[in-house]
Amino acid sequence: AQSVTQLGSHVSVSEGALVLLRCNYSSSVPPYLFWYVQYPNQGLQLLLKYTSAATLVKGINGFEAEFKKSETSFHLTKPSAHMSDAAEYFCAVSGSSNSGYALNFGKGTSLLVTP
Amino acid sequence: KAGVTQTPRYLIKTRGQQVTLSCSPISGHRSVSWYQQTPGQGLQFLFEYFSETQRNKGNFPGRFSGRQFSNSRSEMNVSTLELGDSALYLCASSSQGQGYNSPLHFGNGTRLTVT
Repeated sequence: AQSVTQLGSHVSVSEGALVLLRCNYSSSVPPYLFWYVQYPNQGLQLLLKYTSAATLVKGINGFEAEFKKSETSFHLTKPSAHMSDAAEYFCAVSGSSNSGYALNFGKGTSLLVTP
Repeated sequence: KAGVTQTPRYLIKTRGQQVTLSCSPISGHRSVSWYQQTPGQGLQFLFEYFSETQRNKGNFPGRFSGRQFSNSRSEMNVSTLELGDSALYLCASSSQGQGYNSPLHFGNGTRLTVT
């Protein structure tokens, strides 16, 4: 079955610094990959998705992610962090397996942005 | 287009009671998925409905049930509430459902507190 592992449950960066949130996937077939963001007391919002059209995917709010098959990674980056980026970020993989079709989320990474 | 709407936004119930949560998906979406989110367990998949049929189910006891109506609106029910059922319950809709490249669109959730 497809799964994702997010490295680091908490990441802290200074305002203006590079944001790097790590996600590694496990899939026997080319996967569909997503990044979501969740602000306090809200649902999840789609940041970007990878569907094999291009390995570098640009999303909303200046975020982008690069699909690297050789590393089975789909890390999320943003060149310059803003205070408003503080939130919980989830990586997810979608696909089929013996148990059916599913969308599996990682455990999430909480991003803290300090002034 | 209107987003995913979940009602009520907040709910307080007593142990042993039952509760019904409602979800109206984005117009045209035939798939509705439900998730439970808690600080300790993170995001846990409950079930997915597609065109009124349960297509996928997570590892939750039978006290958790759901259904989908012909207009794609969905309800989930939890009977004999336990303190551990206190959580944010998220509903998400999509056009193709889990396992495909169409992303999930989430509502803002129902915050259930069991006392």
